[in-house]
Amino acid sequence: AQTVTQSQPEMSVQEAETVTLSCTYDTSESDYYLFWYKQPPSRQMILVIRQEAYKQQNATENRFSVNFQKAAKSFSLKISDSQLGDAAMYFCAYTHNAGNMLTFGGGTRLMVKP
Amino acid sequence: DTAVSQTPKYLVTQMGNDKSIKCEQNLGHDTMYWYKQDSKKFLKIMFSYNNKELIINETVPNRFSPKSPDKAHLNLHINSLELGDSAVYFCASSHGGQASGGETQYFGPGTRLLVL
Repeated sequence: AQTVTQSQPEMSVQEAETVTLSCTYDTSESDYYLFWYKQPPSRQMILVIRQEAYKQQNATENRFSVNFQKAAKSFSLKISDSQLGDAAMYFCAYTHNAGNMLTFGGGTRLMVKP
Repeated sequence: DTAVSQTPKYLVTQMGNDKSIKCEQNLGHDTMYWYKQDSKKFLKIMFSYNNKELIINETVPNRFSPKSPDKAHLNLHINSLELGDSAVYFCASSHGGQASGGETQYFGPGTRLLVL
């Protein structure tokens, strides 16, 4: 069974600084997809970024980028120029090609200090 | 304009009662899901439906029964509610069917269920 691990229950960053959230996963599949979702206090789950395992290029979305290391099964999220609105729970998630269920990590709570 | 909606947003009820949570998506997606988020924020898949057919049914007690009247709706019925059912329940949808993996899932706002 696939597992997703987020080893940092909490992180904090100063406004305008950069922070990296860690995620590792375990799978025997070769074709799969990885996601980062953000859950602010409103509890809405918001997609931050998506990565296809067959693509070597790291995905980026504005201030958000990933460091995808397939051999190491690592998928970290970098947030640049952190803003107060980035404060939220961040979840790493995995799905493989044969089914669509998401397997989530335990989440990292990000605090942004003004 | 809402993509995935759930009703109600909050549900407080007594142990032993039966309740339903409704979910609707207007994205034209083929697949819908129910996830449960427990008090420690851990999210886990419960059910997945593709075009009104059950695809995934994780080890969920049979007190939980999903019903999909059409591909835009997936409702969750819970019988004989227990204290441990207290959680946030999220509905989600994605474009592809079972054969297409990796489609982004869009989540509803969640329903916070509190069983007293």
